[in-house]
Amino acid sequence: DQQVKQNSPSLSVQEGRISILNCDYTNSMFDYFLWYKKYPAEGPTFLISISSIKDKNEDGRFTVFLNKSAKHLSLHIVPSQPGDSAVYFCAASAKNAGNMLTFGGGTRLMVKP
Amino acid sequence: DVKVTQSSRYLVKRTGEKVFLECVQDMDHENMFWYRQDPGLGLRLIYFSYDVKMKEKGDIPEGYSVSREKKERFSLILESASTNQTSMYLCASSLGQGRGNQPQHFGDGTRLSIL
Repeated sequence: DQQVKQNSPSLSVQEGRISILNCDYTNSMFDYFLWYKKYPAEGPTFLISISSIKDKNEDGRFTVFLNKSAKHLSLHIVPSQPGDSAVYFCAASAKNAGNMLTFGGGTRLMVKP
Repeated sequence: DVKVTQSSRYLVKRTGEKVFLECVQDMDHENMFWYRQDPGLGLRLIYFSYDVKMKEKGDIPEGYSVSREKKERFSLILESASTNQTSMYLCASSLGQGRGNQPQHFGDGTRLSIL
């Protein structure tokens, strides 16, 4: 039973447009959410995070939105660049879970020049 | 910057062999983790450790064991490798409990093939 789900395995976007990656979760104890980016043959790199006390966090071109009632979060990339082409994983951590993360299955983003 | 180093990028072993995957971090992190990544399944936690000589099972510990003799080093051991353990293995580290929410930092992974 996957507690964190990314329902879109892939997404294709034109350069300069907005990329929206979605993630749903089921565990109401999750209180910290993260997005990681992964290039082939490299480890995931931390991108941005959000605590459950917030509904939005922004860092440059990247914004994460959290809708707790819907148990849904999304990552917006504006404007999208070809270098953003990678696999994106969302992850979640529960209170008192010792910093353990539960990951979604990933979404492959392709940004076309 | 946090540096997590995995000893091998690519490894090919035979069924039944004992396999060691090594991971070292240089930021004095208390927590260390081993994951495997398979297409469509994301990252699944195999084992983790909060401190030297401590270990906890993750979601898929069967067929694996770990060792943490020093704070900076966390080893994953495949006791008797099988073909279904062919995967990308990722090591991560993070600050310890009581430090608030902290991201995990990952190594570049070891692509392990079991023939």
